[in-house]
Amino acid sequence: KNQVEQSPQSLIILEGKNCTLQCNYTVSPFSNLRWYKQDTGRGPVSLTIMTFSENTKSNGRYTATLDADTKQSSLHITASQLSDSASYICVVSSGGSYIPTFGRGTSLIVHP
Amino acid sequence: DVKVTQSSRYLVKRTGEKVFLECVQDMDHENMFWYRQDPGLGLRLIYFSYDVKMKEKGDIPEGYSVSREKKERFSLILESASTNQTSMYLCASSLDGRREQYFGPGTRLTVT
Repeated sequence: KNQVEQSPQSLIILEGKNCTLQCNYTVSPFSNLRWYKQDTGRGPVSLTIMTFSENTKSNGRYTATLDADTKQSSLHITASQLSDSASYICVVSSGGSYIPTFGRGTSLIVHP
Repeated sequence: DVKVTQSSRYLVKRTGEKVFLECVQDMDHENMFWYRQDPGLGLRLIYFSYDVKMKEKGDIPEGYSVSREKKERFSLILESASTNQTSMYLCASSLDGRREQYFGPGTRLTVT
């Protein structure tokens, strides 16, 4: 069964600090991996997409990495801001399936 | 700008009532999805539709039904609302299974 595991479940950091969120998956065959950001009371919004051939992709202060061999991805947030407080969800799509597999998310709180 | 709208942001219903949640997308997407989101459980798929009048059960379809009479509209129906259906309901659409899912703002449903 396809699965996506995220860690940690929750994280609290001080404004200005960096942090890294982890995602491990067992989805096969792999098509792509997305990180979504979900602000409180809103729907998730895509931050980055990683395909099999990509190792690193940046979107401003967000940098995603992918190791397709170990089936692991990370999302690194640099110089965190209060607006980074949100849930971050890892989603893996499989070739030939209508439905991607969602992780349960990491809840990030950035304190001033 | 792509848009997915949901009929209500907040809804309070009584046990046993029939509840309709409406979702409309303006992107001409083939696929539409209904999820519920509960703390600690992440997003769980209730139903999805890959074409007009076509529907497939997701992971937790019990107590729900759906309708897709037009491409842009996907409705979620709770035939007889129960307190365990109190949750955040999110609608999404996508061009295909590997593309980004675009989410609506969510409907927070409370059943008393």
